[in-house]
Amino acid sequence: NAGVTQTPKFQVLKTGQSMTLQCAQDMNHEYMSWYRQDPGMGLRLIHYSVGAGITDQGEVPNGYNVSRSTTEDFPLRLLSAAPSQTSVYFCASSSAPGTSGITRKYEQYFGPGTRLTVT
Amino acid sequence: GEDVEQSLFLSVREGDSSVINCTYTDSSSTYLYWYKQEPGAGLQLLTYIFSNMDMKQDQRLTVLLNKKDKHLSLRIADTQTGDSAIYFCAESMKSGYNKLIFGAGTRLAVHP
Repeated sequence: NAGVTQTPKFQVLKTGQSMTLQCAQDMNHEYMSWYRQDPGMGLRLIHYSVGAGITDQGEVPNGYNVSRSTTEDFPLRLLSAAPSQTSVYFCASSSAPGTSGITRKYEQYFGPGTRLTVT
Repeated sequence: GEDVEQSLFLSVREGDSSVINCTYTDSSSTYLYWYKQEPGAGLQLLTYIFSNMDMKQDQRLTVLLNKKDKHLSLRIADTQTGDSAIYFCAESMKSGYNKLIFGAGTRLAVHP
């Protein structure tokens, strides 16, 4: 299993450009999430999905869109990049409660991250 | 709202024990987690504790939970240079178990 993969690893955008950060998992997990990590701060939840066709907003959703057409993929779209979106982005996945046993019930598996710079 | 706080930096000598502390605000959190992040890498789940437990031990790791004070700690016994990393405390949000609130992370530096 590759686990959670993210592409690209690094990206530089100009203000106003759009792009899509890719995330895929091969563990058949129902839940997937996007977080951003800024210096001196913990990870903050952007959007999440509890299954194909179902998405919802997290703590900091503005400026981002998501969709979940398959169980495996959960892309994050930046509609019009701004310098405030310079950050490291992490995708995570987890199985639904009750499906993976009590000891790993809520474990989230994280991808390696995408470092985005907006100039 | 929910908030998780951690001290930002800890320095220990190799072989000593490290204790990383965390406070949280949501008393209804079901799970509390410790994640480790090495440079340039994603987060790796180290251990977790269910909110009805006081203590959990897993090899060199001991997690203590004081629900009254909403205080969580992670003790690493016999700290090694390979333990140098950033450690994040996280609580599950009241509104959803797969949604986590993270602290800012504690950078652990292990020196000889």
